[in-house]
Amino acid sequence: AQSVTQLDSQVPVFEEAPVELRCNYSSSVSVYLFWYVQYPNQGLQLLLKYLSGSTLVKGINGFEAEFNKSQTSFHLRKPSVHISDTAEYFCAVIKAAGNKLTFGGGTRVLVKP
Amino acid sequence: SAVISQKPSRDICQRGTSLTIQCQVDSQVTMMFWYRQQPGQSLTLIATANQGSEATYESGFVIDKFPISRPNLTFSTLTVSNMSPEDSSIYLCSHTRGGGSTEAFFGQGTRLTVV
Repeated sequence: AQSVTQLDSQVPVFEEAPVELRCNYSSSVSVYLFWYVQYPNQGLQLLLKYLSGSTLVKGINGFEAEFNKSQTSFHLRKPSVHISDTAEYFCAVIKAAGNKLTFGGGTRVLVKP
Repeated sequence: SAVISQKPSRDICQRGTSLTIQCQVDSQVTMMFWYRQQPGQSLTLIATANQGSEATYESGFVIDKFPISRPNLTFSTLTVSNMSPEDSSIYLCSHTRGGGSTEAFFGQGTRLTVV
C-alpha cells in the first residue's frame, strides 16, 4: 500500500516570499504523484503531476515540483506567493497501474500581506 | 475535462436522518469515486462507484451506512444513512477519464453538518 506524508500541517508565509511544501511518499511499486489545491469552500484542483520523464514538473499558477526517487519526495515550490495562494495543498499518489488516489494530510498555506 | 456538478453544496441535517448527494458528470467517464473530508483533515476514499454493479468499499466503510448508486456512466449518488454528528464532513465526488488517464477531477463538494 502507498502512503503520503506532508511534513508541515501549516505554512505561514509573507506575500512575494518563496514557499516550499514538503511531501514524502512510500510505495513498493511505481507511482504517479500529484499536487492538488483546495481553495476555501471549493473542491480540489490539480496543480501539477509527475508521471515520468523530467523530474522537474511545472504546473499552473507558477508552481513547480521536483520528483526525487532516491529520497521518495515530491516537494512543491513557488518562488513568489500571492495572497490568492492562500489555500490547502494536498500531495497524492496513485499506483502506476491503479486508479485510487492516496492523499497526504494536507498543508494549509496562509499568505500574509 | 468532464465537468462535475455535485448537489447539494451544503446541508444541515438532523441526526438519525439520511441525505443523498448527487454527482453529475457532463460526459461519460469510466471511474467515479466518493471521498470524505472530515473537518481539518485530508481526503479519505469511501468507495469506487461501479456502473451496473455494487460499489467497492474501502476498509472502514460499509454499504449499509453509505449506499451508492451508479445507474449510468455520467451519474452517481452517495447516501449518508442514519446520520450522527460524526458524519459532519465534506463529501466529494471524483472521476477519472480512464483509458490510461491518471488525472482525477473533483466536484465542489457537499458540506454536511449533522445536528
